[in-house]
Amino acid sequence: DARVTQTPRHKVTEMGQEVTMRCQPILGHNTVFWYRQTMMQGLELLAYFRNRAPLDDSGMPKDRFSAEMPDATLATLKIQPSEPRDSAVYFCASGGGQETDTQYFGPGTRLTVL
Amino acid sequence: AQSVTQLDSQVPVFEEAPVELRCNYSSSVSVYLFWYVQYPNQGLQLLLKYLSGSTLVKGINGFEAEFNKSQTSFHLRKPSVHISDTAEYFCAVSGPSGGYNKLIFGAGTRLAVHP
Repeated sequence: DARVTQTPRHKVTEMGQEVTMRCQPILGHNTVFWYRQTMMQGLELLAYFRNRAPLDDSGMPKDRFSAEMPDATLATLKIQPSEPRDSAVYFCASGGGQETDTQYFGPGTRLTVL
Repeated sequence: AQSVTQLDSQVPVFEEAPVELRCNYSSSVSVYLFWYVQYPNQGLQLLLKYLSGSTLVKGINGFEAEFNKSQTSFHLRKPSVHISDTAEYFCAVSGPSGGYNKLIFGAGTRLAVHP
């Protein structure tokens, strides 16, 4: 049963610390998305990649957030320095393969910045 | 630009009753439409999708949705709900302006099924 995996599932950190979230997309999927979910804003697209190249990161605060795909099996989202307003659930989704129109979501990383 | 409006933030319903969760979208071009479900502390799971063809789409867990182009709606229905259907439901749209891979989500509808 192929699925998107994300680590860590939970992260509590203090303001100013660096946070790295990791995502392993479904094997064979060439598109990876990062979303943030909060009560106030709902689901927001932060960035997405196709074939490891960034296609759109307009939803991401550039001064502190960065997203990369070092290889086809790993996507990372970093926040440096973290702030309390970054507290949210961060989801990774992957798409492509035979169903190019459908995104499959990981379980999310719940981030709390104190 | 595309957008999605989910008309109800919360829908309470009794077990075995029918339910409809409403979704309207705005777009002047052809779009793809999706419904996702999110159970507590989990990621989003695809329920069903409309790409083209028949306007009545059947999904998992007994859900179905009807695409209505004239009313720009894609309402989700289930004839008889179970307690286990309690979750948050998201309608989403993708289209050419954002690339058909880029999803725009509605705010979500929380379905609460009571015994």
